[in-house]
Amino acid sequence: AQTVTQSQPEMSVQEAETVTLSCTYDTSESDYYLFWYKQPPSRQMILVIRQEAYKQQNATENRFSVNFQKAAKSFSLKISDSQLGDAAMYFCAYRIPFYGGATNKLIFGTGTLLAVQP
Amino acid sequence: NAGVTQTPKFQVLKTGQSMTLQCAQDMNHEYMSWYRQDPGMGLRLIHYSVGAGITDQGEVPNGYNVSRSTTEDFPLRLLSAAPSQTSVYFCASSSPRSRDGSLYFGPGTRLTVT
Repeated sequence: AQTVTQSQPEMSVQEAETVTLSCTYDTSESDYYLFWYKQPPSRQMILVIRQEAYKQQNATENRFSVNFQKAAKSFSLKISDSQLGDAAMYFCAYRIPFYGGATNKLIFGTGTLLAVQP
Repeated sequence: NAGVTQTPKFQVLKTGQSMTLQCAQDMNHEYMSWYRQDPGMGLRLIHYSVGAGITDQGEVPNGYNVSRSTTEDFPLRLLSAAPSQTSVYFCASSSPRSRDGSLYFGPGTRLTVT
């Protein structure tokens, strides 16, 4: 069965600094997607970034980038120039693509709570 | 375009009571799902639907019931509430035309069962 592990329950970063959140996963599939979701205190789940396993290039979205290591099954999130608004719970998630009757099931990690110090 | 809406935002129930959490989306998404979020456990799938009239169980379905009579709506019913069902509930939708299946989440419902 696929699993997603986030080994850092809490992290802290100074404003304007860089922080990396870790995520590892276990799967026997070769094609899949990985996601990072942000959940601020408002509780809303916000998609931060996505990565397709077939793409070797690491995804980037403004200050957010990933380090995708397929062989190691690692998918870390780097936040550059951290801002107070980045303080949130961050969830790593995995899913297989839509084909062959696959469902829309995401498998989530347990989350990392990021605090940003002014 | 409201996206995914959920009602109510907060609810307190007594053990044994029943209620329905409402979820609606206006993006014409075929796929809809319910997750519950508990501290230290991330989000876990309760039930999902791949289209009107089709539903299936997820990881933690016991104590919950769903139906999907329209594309837009996917209500979650708690048959007889228990304190173990105290949680935050999220409804989400996605389109099969989106290869990566990105989920659009509702704002969540915080449920407390006493």
